[in-house]
Amino acid sequence: EAQVTQNPRYLITVTGKKLTVTCSQNMNHEYMSWYRQDPGLGLRQIYYSMNVEVTDKGDVPEGYKVSRKEKRNFPLILESPSPNQTSLYFCASSLTGHRYEQYFGPGTRLTVT
Amino acid sequence: AQKVTQAQTEISVVEKEDVTLDCVYETRDTTYYLFWYKQPPSGELVFLIRRNSFDEQNEISGRYSWNFQKSTSSFNFTITASQVVDSAVYFCALSEVFFSGNTPLVFGKGTRLSVIA
Repeated sequence: EAQVTQNPRYLITVTGKKLTVTCSQNMNHEYMSWYRQDPGLGLRQIYYSMNVEVTDKGDVPEGYKVSRKEKRNFPLILESPSPNQTSLYFCASSLTGHRYEQYFGPGTRLTVT
Repeated sequence: AQKVTQAQTEISVVEKEDVTLDCVYETRDTTYYLFWYKQPPSGELVFLIRRNSFDEQNEISGRYSWNFQKSTSSFNFTITASQVVDSAVYFCALSEVFFSGNTPLVFGKGTRLSVIA
């Protein structure tokens, strides 16, 4: 089944404790992206990757890192999480470019206390 | 700058009623793509439709239909004979190609649809 998977689905952590949210797609998509969803602010792009070893910042990259060592994986790293990073996070992938729909993972609900 | 406006924050209808969700967008590009996504209470984002800026044909898929009008920069979504399972937040989104090559989705704030039995 074609899908984007994320782990963990739910995470409660404390300020400053490094964490990684994994994202994997099995559709051989080139483009991958991370979004966060916050009440009143909607969905905003954090980082994106156009292919292996090609990553760049989206609209709200502060406090996040990413890597793309393999085509299928695009982990999101929070080196020192803070409470303002409490949010619902989505990983997405698409074949390539803007003409194709982005498929989203199930979401990761992160709470930083 | 790109912008997507969904003026209806919440809509409530009785089952079997028809309902239209409005979406108005702003862009300077001539080539762009429009999308609708559904976010049910379980939280995932489900792709519904993609439309490119050169194709103004309306589309129907079962009880769903979409009306794209470039003249008014609108891409409205109609659900016919609504059902309780249609209850969700619906997002309209716009995608262009940036100079960087990035193609982020710019989402509207969403419309929460509640269908009452």
